[in-house]
Amino acid sequence: GAGVSQSPSNKVTEKGKDVELRCDPISGHTALYWYRQRLGQGLEFLIYFQGNSAPDKSGLPSDRFSAERTGESVSTLTIQRTQQEDSAVYLCASSRTAGQPQHFGDGTRLSIL
Amino acid sequence: QKEVEQDPGPLSVPEGAIVSLNCTYSNSAFQYFMWYRQYSRKGPELLMYTYSSGNKEDGRFTAQVDKSSKYISLFIRDSQPSDSATYLCAMSNSNYQLIWGAGTKLIIKP
Repeated sequence: GAGVSQSPSNKVTEKGKDVELRCDPISGHTALYWYRQRLGQGLEFLIYFQGNSAPDKSGLPSDRFSAERTGESVSTLTIQRTQQEDSAVYLCASSRTAGQPQHFGDGTRLSIL
Repeated sequence: QKEVEQDPGPLSVPEGAIVSLNCTYSNSAFQYFMWYRQYSRKGPELLMYTYSSGNKEDGRFTAQVDKSSKYISLFIRDSQPSDSATYLCAMSNSNYQLIWGAGTKLIIKP
């Protein structure tokens, strides 16, 4: 597709379960970013991938959060042992390279019961 | 104090009015300034991208950066109902990690 694709668009799960969120970046984009957006708040940086370099994980809020990316393709964000405070929209963005404008997917709306 | 402050609104104006949206920030090292538009249940969409100070115009949109006052603005001329959305400012002192405002909800009344 032409844009950033995220799946699922909505996810409802019980507290304590693990969830996996997927992001397909724009083809050819080497940089990929994950953000969290809580209701009525700005975007919170989680993690950044650039090509084959080591990712910047400085925004991950706890060790329950992890992300992977293989080369310059799909990325997955995993949240283990989910808590109610993890409820938010998780947004993925990609850019041609670092410093170029970021293009966003429509996010995954995660609700923890 | 947050690094980036943005009035959440809502800001309601009649169709055709000039809209002014603003953000203030505290980190004087910020060099890159962006405005994004976000429609309900959609991801943010880049509107304007500015490096350092000055003005930038694109159609009905004008972005201004005043680094001495640590203040950025987005002006929308001839506002349309389709401009109704949340507008987010974002800025950075590096080339990738953005710091975001909370967003201003804009409502354009027909």
